[in-house]
Amino acid sequence: GEDVEQSLFLSVREGDSSVINCTYTDSSSTYLYWYKQEPGAGLQLLTYIFSNMDMKQDQRLTVLLNKKDKHLSLRIADTQTGDSAIYFCAPRGSTLGRLYFGRGTQLTVWP
Amino acid sequence: KAGVTQTPRYLIKTRGQQVTLSCSPISGHRSVSWYQQTPGQGLQFLFEYFSETQRNKGNFPGRFSGRQFSNSRSEMNVSTLELGDSALYLCASSSGGREEKLFFGSGTQLSVL
Repeated sequence: GEDVEQSLFLSVREGDSSVINCTYTDSSSTYLYWYKQEPGAGLQLLTYIFSNMDMKQDQRLTVLLNKKDKHLSLRIADTQTGDSAIYFCAPRGSTLGRLYFGRGTQLTVWP
Repeated sequence: KAGVTQTPRYLIKTRGQQVTLSCSPISGHRSVSWYQQTPGQGLQFLFEYFSETQRNKGNFPGRFSGRQFSNSRSEMNVSTLELGDSALYLCASSSGGREEKLFFGSGTQLSVL
């Protein structure tokens, strides 16, 4: 299987940028996803990047991929209190329909 | 377009009982996968069905089983429940193709007493 590592906690002030980092082990990962989970809810797909891309921007979200180092990051610009949630990095290898999840990063945004 | 629907939202069972959870995927999606989420183990893959066939399976005991119907709706069954089966069970649907995006339901919170 694949190991996915994320730091567990991140605190930022409202209006600042947040950067959530993720490392993974399977170099054959083709698509890498970011999900958001709010308390008592399921997972919300935020964005994803294909492994032949270095960067993807989607409104306030920027995903950076360093395939050589197997490092993925999610940058949230102008972070708001509503962004407080747990964020999961989830690579998908060659197996369709199966994602490998990290433990998630709890983002806390202070007003 | 309606999202992924999971029922029931909450379930309370006792040890030794069995339980069936249901998942209705997004219209047109043919792949349904199931994940277990616990505070201790995080999110773990159970299995994935595509066009009524189990395509992938995680490392869970045989007490955990599933099936998919011709309309792509899926059910997951857990027999002989144990306390450790208490978890949030999440279902995800996707088109099943190469550039698939997995969309998750709100989950079923199962408590085993």
